[in-house]
Amino acid sequence: DTGVSQDPRHKITKRGQNVTFRCDPISEHNRLYWYRQTLGQGPEFLTYFQNEAQLEKSRLLSDRFSAERPKGSFSTLEIQRTEQGDSAMYLCASTYTEVEQFFGPGTRLTVL
Amino acid sequence: GENVEQHPSTLSVQEGDSAVIKCTYSDSASNYFPWYKQELGKRPQLIIDIRSNVGEKKDQRIAVTLNKTAKHFSLHITETQPEDSAVYFCAAKGSGSARQLTFGSGTQLTVLP
Repeated sequence: DTGVSQDPRHKITKRGQNVTFRCDPISEHNRLYWYRQTLGQGPEFLTYFQNEAQLEKSRLLSDRFSAERPKGSFSTLEIQRTEQGDSAMYLCASTYTEVEQFFGPGTRLTVL
Repeated sequence: GENVEQHPSTLSVQEGDSAVIKCTYSDSASNYFPWYKQELGKRPQLIIDIRSNVGEKKDQRIAVTLNKTAKHFSLHITETQPEDSAVYFCAAKGSGSARQLTFGSGTQLTVLP
């Protein structure tokens, strides 16, 4: 499969724990996005990388959230001190143009 | 920032009938409008898109129309089939530096056999 991949697909954690998700974009794509999707809603933008540089962060991204893309390839999204409100699907998307974004399968986070 | 509203939230049609989903956007600088289909538990998949220099685009049974003046765009599916049942999201590409997509809240389309 040469599409966007995400790991893990599901994560269950207890409130207060830290979690880290990984996204592997399509190999030639230099732009990478993280979105969060809650039940019954469309994806909401969290943050954007062009190569290794994090160029924009949404106000949704509290200081408990951090994202990296150290070599301009894969990216990680870490949530510290998880809260029940963090439960959602975390989607990664990549592109090499300014338009079509290809989405990964998502990581479903459940915070108990 | 951009705001996208989508209607209806649910839509049921008989197999073979047409389905229309409508979206409005707020940022007049937005210039790219994709539609994604998301089946239960799966990733959003791009099904059709339109740029602001085009008023209509068609791909087999799917078409999208754009009215820049009114800031609304619509998805039209003709000859619907049960496999068209899914959640459909419209989106608009923002004018910010990230060019992120702002999504509507989705339409659950059910095609009844």
